[in-house]
Amino acid sequence: NAGVMQNPRHLVRRRGQEARLRCSPMKGHSHVYWYRQLPEEGLKFMVYLQKENIIDESGMPKERFSAEFPKEGPSILRIQQVVRGDSAAYFCASSPPSLAFYEQYFGPGTRLTVT
Amino acid sequence: KNEVEQSPQNLTAQEGEFITINCSYSVGISALHWLQQHPGGGIVSLFMLSSGKKKHGRLIATINIQEKHSSLHITASHPRDSAVYICAVGGNTGNQFYFGTGTSLTVIP
Repeated sequence: NAGVMQNPRHLVRRRGQEARLRCSPMKGHSHVYWYRQLPEEGLKFMVYLQKENIIDESGMPKERFSAEFPKEGPSILRIQQVVRGDSAAYFCASSPPSLAFYEQYFGPGTRLTVT
Repeated sequence: KNEVEQSPQNLTAQEGEFITINCSYSVGISALHWLQQHPGGGIVSLFMLSSGKKKHGRLIATINIQEKHSSLHITASHPRDSAVYICAVGGNTGNQFYFGTGTSLTVIP
């Protein structure tokens, strides 16, 4: 049973470009969470999604950031017009529908560098 | 003030030493995680606990709900234990997960 998968593992973008980060949850998991870890800071919650629904996006910046979890395929975190301050590690976690949200399994993360 | 505070921030130990990392939290929780993050690596969940004590190999995690405090212990530490250890709590309202800033552990041979 493969764990949570994220790709790419490393992503370099120039300022103004778009970044797309993918997260494939564990098999059977229908809940996905995205977290951001800024350099020298702790992890911060961004958004919680279920299939085709955004449940809680209280941690998402108001502009340029969006997330989706379609019926088929991975969850996508999209950052438009990236700026240097977006450089961070982005982690996703998944949990199965039968367990509480705190039973999460983490992916390896995507390290975004904005040049 | 952060909802989750960890101490110490950095810890250096000799191989074989007994290590304790502490976590205090200020929110009502449904569960507490101890996570491990190796440099440049992903995050691994070591323990999830809501009461009492759990043991896995050389790792022991305890939680005191009344005092809102948890500890992670590593017995007979080894250089491969060198990593950042993160305390995370799941709040009992909403879907929030609160993270400590981590404890960076270095075990010297």
